[in-house]
Amino acid sequence: QKEVEQNSGPLSVPEGAIASLNCTYSDRGSQSFFWYRQYSGKSPELIMFIYSNGDKEDGRFTAQLNKASQYVSLLIRDSQPSDSATYLCAVDNGGNQFYFGTGTSLTVIP
Amino acid sequence: SAVISQKPSRDICQRGTSLTIQCQVDSQVTMMFWYRQQPGQSLTLIATANQGSEATYESGFVIDKFPISRPNLTFSTLTVSNMSPEDSSIYLCSVDRTSDQETQYFGPGTRLLVL
Repeated sequence: QKEVEQNSGPLSVPEGAIASLNCTYSDRGSQSFFWYRQYSGKSPELIMFIYSNGDKEDGRFTAQLNKASQYVSLLIRDSQPSDSATYLCAVDNGGNQFYFGTGTSLTVIP
Repeated sequence: SAVISQKPSRDICQRGTSLTIQCQVDSQVTMMFWYRQQPGQSLTLIATANQGSEATYESGFVIDKFPISRPNLTFSTLTVSNMSPEDSSIYLCSVDRTSDQETQYFGPGTRLLVL
């Protein structure tokens, strides 16, 4: 069974701090990894994807992938109250099928 | 990203009835997917809607309960049949997009409450 695990949180950080969100996956054949942001009552919105080991930066967001450890993370620098949402980790095993984690709820405190 | 619309955006239905949800994309896409997100839960893939052939269902989901149509490359429907309160959920359609990486984009969702 393919599993994607995240800490459900809630994670609270003060405004301006770095928020760190973590995700582990069980399928070593997984090829691509995605982070989605979901505001309450809204559908998921793609933030970043990564498929090579290492870091990938996009603005205030950095995705980190370690395939040997089956671990992917998302760092949000200079966190803003507007970043408060649930963050979903998704894993693609190469068959166009995404498997989602349960999500981490993030609250940025002004 | 693709522009994806869903109808209805929400509905309240009676037990035993059926509801058909429509998903429309502004451009042709190869893959369309249907997900369910139950309250407080993450997304669970119901099925992949294949154009010109039967949908491919995930474990735990069957065609009799969730019939899917995909008449062309921009449109799909999901029917929730013989509904029970346990079917109360958000139903999301998504499409694949290849830019520099294959990924999925989601429609706005259909919020279903079954009484």
